[in-house]
Formats: sequence, C-alpha cells, structure tokens
Amino acid sequence: KNEVEQSPQNLTAQEGEFITINCSYSVGISALHWLQQHPGGGIVSLFMLSSGKKKHGRLIATINIQEKHSSLHITASHPRDSAVYICAALAGNYGGSQGNLIFGKGTKLSVKP
Amino acid sequence: DAGVTQSPTHLIKTRGQHVTLRCSPISGHKSVSWYQQVLGQGPQFIFQYYEKEERGRGNFPDRFSARQFPNYSSELNVNALLLGDSALYLCASSLVAGRTEAFFGQGTRLTVV
Repeated sequence: KNEVEQSPQNLTAQEGEFITINCSYSVGISALHWLQQHPGGGIVSLFMLSSGKKKHGRLIATINIQEKHSSLHITASHPRDSAVYICAALAGNYGGSQGNLIFGKGTKLSVKP
Repeated sequence: DAGVTQSPTHLIKTRGQHVTLRCSPISGHKSVSWYQQVLGQGPQFIFQYYEKEERGRGNFPDRFSARQFPNYSSELNVNALLLGDSALYLCASSLVAGRTEAFFGQGTRLTVV
C-alpha cells in the first residue's frame, strides 16, 4: 500500500462542474502540498497546508489531520484546468532527511468544453 | 524573480554512460531536493541537500550521487546508466529543508537508449 493514495486516478468533467480530488496518507506529516503538473512536466505548487482550509481563486484545499485526509476542490472548472494534480505529504525524517515529499501517483483531470 | 532552473531540459544518453544534471534554486533558498518521475508515476525522492550537506537519501543505488555547491546550486550524477533510468528528474528548492514550501523546476527529461 502506498503511503500517499489519491483518488480518482482519472477524472473527466464538463466545463463548469465542481471537481473534488481526494488524498489519504498513512505517514506522519508536517504539511501537505497540492501540486499541478502539465504535460510538459513542470510542477507548480498550488497549496501547502498543515491544517484547515486554503483558497486561491477557484481552488480550495482542505485537510483533516486526525483523519489523515485532504481534498482539492475546483469550482466552475475550465478546460485550462486540465492537468495532473498531485498531492505530496511533507514527512519528517523520511529516508533520513529533514522532511521531504512523498508523492501520490496523481489524478489526471480532463475538462471538456 | 527567477524560479528554480534546471539544465539541460532534455538529454539522450546511451546505456553505460554517465550523466550530470544541474539545478539552481530560488535565490535565498538553501535546500535542494531531487526526485525521479518515471512515466505514469508520482515522483520518488532521491536526495535532499541543505546547507551543502546531504540530509537524506531515498532508495536509489550508489550509481546516483549528488552535491550542493557554496552558492546552493546542485548537481545530480548518475553513472553506468540503465534503460530504467529514463525518467523526468525534478529539482525542488525550499528556504529551509523540510519546513517550508517547495518550488519545482521544469525538470530534465532523460532518455537512455
């Protein structure tokens, strides 16, 4: 079992729909990242959160530390939101490091016009 | 402001050869981490460097090595390349290792033939 699990793996939506991507983790974390990766490969950090909720434009991220679960929501989805969304847990002392990222496999989102 | 820059962007090497990938962190960031992303998977942690010292290593063979320079830039070296080393190599920088938000470069796409 992976330490960071995402669902769904693939998601197709119609423009304007409300989208939710879920992330569950089994390791102790200090924070969780939500990242966006476009086909070219570059990764953009959307959120880093350790509690509660954060909002940026049409994107909302929530985390429940007790339940070890986080969600990324996209309101009024648009074709330009099409990308792979990855959650990554910032885990302390993983691999002997001072905390590094353990990634989920990503959710491939396709928003149709 | 310049973000995290990686070079080269694409690279083709032959099995058995050696490769050096380079990363320049965001100005002021002292931590650099390297990740390998095989097609269709989430990135996997390779190394973390902070203040020019190795602070963590993932589950990769000794063919993989890295270092961080006084200006906090970093190199990832891979010897005796195998076909399975073909991947996107991502560099992430952060202000403080394991504590602050990570920012990613565009990656180096390595193809081993």
